Amino acid sequence: AQKVTQAQTEISVVEKEDVTLDCVYETRDTTYYLFWYKQPPSGELVFLIRRNSFDEQNEISGRYSWNFQKSTSSFNFTITASQVVDSAVYFCALNSNYQLIWGAGTKLIIKP
Amino acid sequence: DTGVSQDPRHKITKRGQNVTFRCDPISEHNRLYWYRQTLGQGPEFLTYFQNEAQLEKSRLLSDRFSAERPKGSFSTLEIQRTEQGDSAMYLCASSLEGFSGNTIYFGEGSWLTVV
Repeated sequence: AQKVTQAQTEISVVEKEDVTLDCVYETRDTTYYLFWYKQPPSGELVFLIRRNSFDEQNEISGRYSWNFQKSTSSFNFTITASQVVDSAVYFCALNSNYQLIWGAGTKLIIKP
Repeated sequence: DTGVSQDPRHKITKRGQNVTFRCDPISEHNRLYWYRQTLGQGPEFLTYFQNEAQLEKSRLLSDRFSAERPKGSFSTLEIQRTEQGDSAMYLCASSLEGFSGNTIYFGEGSWLTVV
């Protein structure tokens, strides 16, 4: 069975704090892809990153970084020096053929 | 380059009425997807097209739901005899065909409220 678990339902931090969003996945595929999307209150799902199962290098993009560890089936997302504009629901997803398997999402609240 | 666009963005309808949503994908994308999302949940897959062919439909897609992509470009999702349980956001997305890792890009969604 394929599954994505985001155990943190909601996280609230004060602006400028660092915050990590957890994602754990299950799959029997040897080749797979993992994604993070951001969904602000407006509703649009904004693509953040894609990672394939053969690339375990961590990635940094500005204040965003991702830690992919196959040994623990995790693909965690860290925001450094958080800002109010980072407030949104963040989804982790696993690509299975033609569709995405989604986690339940983590609602991130950044307080000024 | 424009992203995925959806119309209308918001729709309020009375129970029993039919509604239709339109989606225009990113122009070079030949895969088009429909998802549904309710508050506090992740998106649920409904159906997808490759060009004009509808290749998969979820069990969630009851007989009241029909999707088309007649010329392999834009798509419509029609809900007949709407029910209050149909209230949700309907998301359209598109991607290139090919390997399963192609990124799926989403539109802003169409909010449906059935009263």
